[in-house]
Amino acid sequence: GAGVSQSPRYKVAKRGQDVALRCDPISGHVSLFWYQQALGQGPEFLTYFQNEAQLDKSGLPSDRFFAERPEGSVSTLKIQRTQQEDSAVYLCASSLGYLYQGKTEAFFGQGTRLTVV
Amino acid sequence: DAKTTQPTSMDCAEGRAANLPCNHSTISGNEYVYWYRQIHSQGPQYIIHGLKNNETNEMASLIITEDRKSSTLILPHATLRDTAVYYCIVRGYSNYQLIWGAGTKLIIKP
Repeated sequence: GAGVSQSPRYKVAKRGQDVALRCDPISGHVSLFWYQQALGQGPEFLTYFQNEAQLDKSGLPSDRFFAERPEGSVSTLKIQRTQQEDSAVYLCASSLGYLYQGKTEAFFGQGTRLTVV
Repeated sequence: DAKTTQPTSMDCAEGRAANLPCNHSTISGNEYVYWYRQIHSQGPQYIIHGLKNNETNEMASLIITEDRKSSTLILPHATLRDTAVYYCIVRGYSNYQLIWGAGTKLIIKP
């Protein structure tokens, strides 16, 4: 597709339920990021993949959060035993090159709005 | 990464130039200035970035002061569709994370 695609667009989960959020990056993009955005705040970094390798997961808030990108393209963010504080928009972004080059922009999807009730 | 300071909100009349300031007084020599915007209920959209020279593309211009402690994003002819939250981000050469502040809410008025 032309851009980063995320699904579902909206997800309502009961507290304690497991959820899986999908990201289809732009074809050929090496770098993939997940961000969490609370209402009225800027996005906060969760994790970074370079191809299939998860190089940084320092932003994942707890061990209930898990991300994977097994074939270096589609990525899934999984949240186990969801809690109310997990309610947020989860954004995925991809970039053509390696961002340590310092000059490559990231393209974002529209996000998945997760509401835990 | 250096921290950025932006006004919370700004108004601009449709058709006029919108000038959005950003302070990044602790920026270091190899850190880039990035601008993104986020229209309501959408993902962030890349606008422009620069290191020390002024930059221009089809969306906007970026003016960086000579000491690099501040910058201004210029939307030359603002339209109603430019209403969004604008984020100024400073990112290091070897740091792939984008660290976001609260941004400036720009409202374009008819």
